[in-house]
Amino acid sequence: EVQLVESGGGLVQPGRSLKLSCAASGFTFSNYYMAWVRQAPKKGLEWVATISTSGSRTYYPDSVKGRFTISRDNAKSSLYLQMNSLKSEDTATYYCAREQWSGVMDAWGQGASVTVSS
Amino acid sequence: DVQMTQSPSYLAASPGESVSISCKASKSINTYLAWYQEKPGKTNKLLIYSGSTLQSGTPSRFSGSGSGTDFTLTIRSLEPEDFAVYYCQQHNEYPLTFGSGTKLEIK
Repeated sequence: EVQLVESGGGLVQPGRSLKLSCAASGFTFSNYYMAWVRQAPKKGLEWVATISTSGSRTYYPDSVKGRFTISRDNAKSSLYLQMNSLKSEDTATYYCAREQWSGVMDAWGQGASVTVSS
Repeated sequence: DVQMTQSPSYLAASPGESVSISCKASKSINTYLAWYQEKPGKTNKLLIYSGSTLQSGTPSRFSGSGSGTDFTLTIRSLEPEDFAVYYCQQHNEYPLTFGSGTKLEIK
């Protein structure tokens, strides 16, 4: 069974940093692109980042480019999201997702809650 | 960036009825559109990708159609478990973008 389990969420002050982790199991992690998607309270889904199988290619929307960094450790079947210079508008539940094919996300985690507030 | 406009934002229907949800892209995305289902306490579920390809495990009462800029998700003969929030998402190019969601509730 495919499982994605996020961790590392919490309350953080504006301008500070936080790192999310996602532990993957039930599939060959190194064979898949992986992504982070977030959902602000009472809002819809927003794609945050994607990383290629080897980690050599990464993609971000303008809203987080230069502040967020996606990375992976294939030996540990783990995905990460380093979030710097956090803003109140980054408050959201962050989901780890597996990209089945070209931006199609076929498996999702339960999410990690991040609150940016002073 | 490709803007995705989803409608309606809210839909009420009864079990057994059929419903359709629309998703329009701000420019052509060929057939590269996915549909997801969101339910409380469950992980998001991929229903359809590439416009009309059912993901393994998606019931046949779900169907997707469209190409270019206009797409539709149709659910025939609604089951109680279908009442949820549905999102469209274009997977033609990065940045990936989602529609704003449609909440399907029991009438």
